[in-house]
Amino acid sequence: VQLVESGGVVVQPGGSLRVSCAASGFTFDDYTMHWVRQAPGKGLEWVSLISWDGAGTDYADSVKGRFTISRDNSKNSLYLQMDSLRTEDTALYHCAKSSAPTGWSPFDYWGQGTLVTVSS
Amino acid sequence: DIQMTQSPSSLSASVGDRVTITCRASQGISNYLAWYQQKPGKVPQLLIYAASTLQSGVPSRFSGSGSGTDFTLTISSLQPEDVATYYCQKYYSAPRTFGQGTKVEIK
Repeated sequence: VQLVESGGVVVQPGGSLRVSCAASGFTFDDYTMHWVRQAPGKGLEWVSLISWDGAGTDYADSVKGRFTISRDNSKNSLYLQMDSLRTEDTALYHCAKSSAPTGWSPFDYWGQGTLVTVSS
Repeated sequence: DIQMTQSPSSLSASVGDRVTITCRASQGISNYLAWYQQKPGKVPQLLIYAASTLQSGVPSRFSGSGSGTDFTLTISSLQPEDVATYYCQKYYSAPRTFGQGTKVEIK
């Protein structure tokens, strides 16, 4: 299993950015996928999830209405569109795979992350 | 939303010591509780799921217990390679909230 994030850059407050996660080594369209972020020197914060078929999504309150998760199963790819970015969104963004194809399950594989810095 | 509270936030123990970290959920989550280990500069690794089931490849000195609202991660004999921050997470529905973390150091 490999999860490789990309797209992190420095962006101004109020700006937008899309980060991506390329998945390999497993049947991508069987699994719910997640984004988790970690601000510098801080703990883990769950951000969003998307069901195997993209029909179900959910978000942390801190990003609801500003971030949109999506996936393209034909490309084995996960995305996070981030709009109206704030300085407090500065973090390393990891994609993570659910450990089981059905039901509620923890995260058994994590990507190394892509760094998003929101600064003027 | 259900909050997850870990204690202590940090601890220092000697090699060979028994170490216990607790995690409390603000509402019952049955056994939908996972523990992760994050070593410095590394990504989190799943240690335990379903409150007490050891993930494949995890040393047997790690164990978990609890159900409902109160959970415990125990390291039976602390080793130098266990220096890390440990997080609990509830995966019962969304949000999949993490605890604030417990930093474990060697005395």
